[in-house]
Amino acid sequence: DAKTTQPPSMDCAEGRAANLPCNHSTISGNEYVYWYRQIHSQGPQYIIHGLKNNETNEMASLIITEDRKSSTLILPHATLRDTAVYYCIVSPLTTDSWGKLQFGAGTQVVVTP
Amino acid sequence: DAGVIQSPRHEVTEMGQEVTLRCKPISGHNSLFWYRQTMMRGLELLIYFNNNVPIDDSGMPEDRFSAKMPNASFSTLKIQPSEPRDSAVYFCASSLKGGASPLHFGNGTRLTVT
Repeated sequence: DAKTTQPPSMDCAEGRAANLPCNHSTISGNEYVYWYRQIHSQGPQYIIHGLKNNETNEMASLIITEDRKSSTLILPHATLRDTAVYYCIVSPLTTDSWGKLQFGAGTQVVVTP
Repeated sequence: DAGVIQSPRHEVTEMGQEVTLRCKPISGHNSLFWYRQTMMRGLELLIYFNNNVPIDDSGMPEDRFSAKMPNASFSTLKIQPSEPRDSAVYFCASSLKGGASPLHFGNGTRLTVT
């Protein structure tokens, strides 16, 4: 499975957009990019996923570069409740590996007033 | 939807005792996962079930660990005998198998073995 590289930490001002980068230069054609986050003392929470195209939902936007070697998670208007560890994960949809998400260290995002 | 429900929320036990962690997945989900989180190793997949059948238990650390899913609405993770190094937060997650369906995690059981 492809590995990802994320900055260990980021600060963001409340109300501003938070742009979280992720490098996955060895990603394969059948691997999706997933983003989860973990707020302190809670279980990981799914945010968004994509394969090639940019994706948007009520929580965030996912921008994937054309060569698929990197992506950016965008939280459009960060709030204090967005303070969490954000995980970028790549995973194929093959039967053997489905659901076997490999969580790395993630990015600790702190949203400040 | 109540989400994935885990119990107990906290468990403190002495070394050598049996520990049983419980999980109720989201109704209608057909896949269930047990993860463990520690500071040293982060989040690790222990085992996952599809339609109540264990599919991959390669992450189970040793024979002291066992997991069962007797029906679609209940799973247990048992540690017998427990050891201090088993101290961690154990998460259960469920999902609909197929496509890119995301995992929905419970809030975990914090296990402390003294």
